[in-house]
Amino acid sequence: GNSVTQMEGPVTLSEEAFLTINCTYTATGYPSLFWYVQYPGEGLQLLLKATKADDKGSNKGFEATYRKETTSFHLEKGSVQVSDSAVYFCALTNTGNQFYFGTGTSLTVIP
Amino acid sequence: NAGVMQNPRHLVRRRGQEARLRCSPMKGHSHVYWYRQLPEEGLKFMVYLQKENIIDESGMPKERFSAEFPKEGPSILRIQQVVRGDSAAYFCASSPSQNQPQHFGDGTRLSIL
Repeated sequence: GNSVTQMEGPVTLSEEAFLTINCTYTATGYPSLFWYVQYPGEGLQLLLKATKADDKGSNKGFEATYRKETTSFHLEKGSVQVSDSAVYFCALTNTGNQFYFGTGTSLTVIP
Repeated sequence: NAGVMQNPRHLVRRRGQEARLRCSPMKGHSHVYWYRQLPEEGLKFMVYLQKENIIDESGMPKERFSAEFPKEGPSILRIQQVVRGDSAAYFCASSPSQNQPQHFGDGTRLSIL
């Protein structure tokens, strides 16, 4: 079956620190992988995506590389800001009918 | 360029009442998806609809829950005879076609008294 496992939070970092949020997946076939971000009281916003092995998705300083050999899609950012505080969700889709989400990782960045 | 619009943002119901949640997809999007987010959990897929058709309802509870996406108007997620366990945030997403990123609304937070 399809599933996504994320590192548990919450994660607290100082401003300008390096961020890694781990994500591994189980899927049949060749899924597309996504990172979404959710700010308090809001819906999910697409952060970045990768549709095939070795693709790197990037946006707003965040990056994630689709690693088929390790079934991973870890999210990284070199220097976090207070405004990056949110909940981050890793997700995959195989058919496009439904997305499978991880449980989310809460990030708090302190000045 | 309006995004996915959900209303109401907050809905309070007493046990046994009906809850109706509405979702208007982004302009040009004909695929609608409903998800439920329980406290401290990720989103769980409920149902996928195109205009006038339910494509995949594998995540819908077998009883009390139904969804529609009529030819005209928003998609509706309907919960009959609500119970405390229905309290959650319900998110709608839309996409222009399959395998495209889904764009999410801000959700409806349902509270059952």
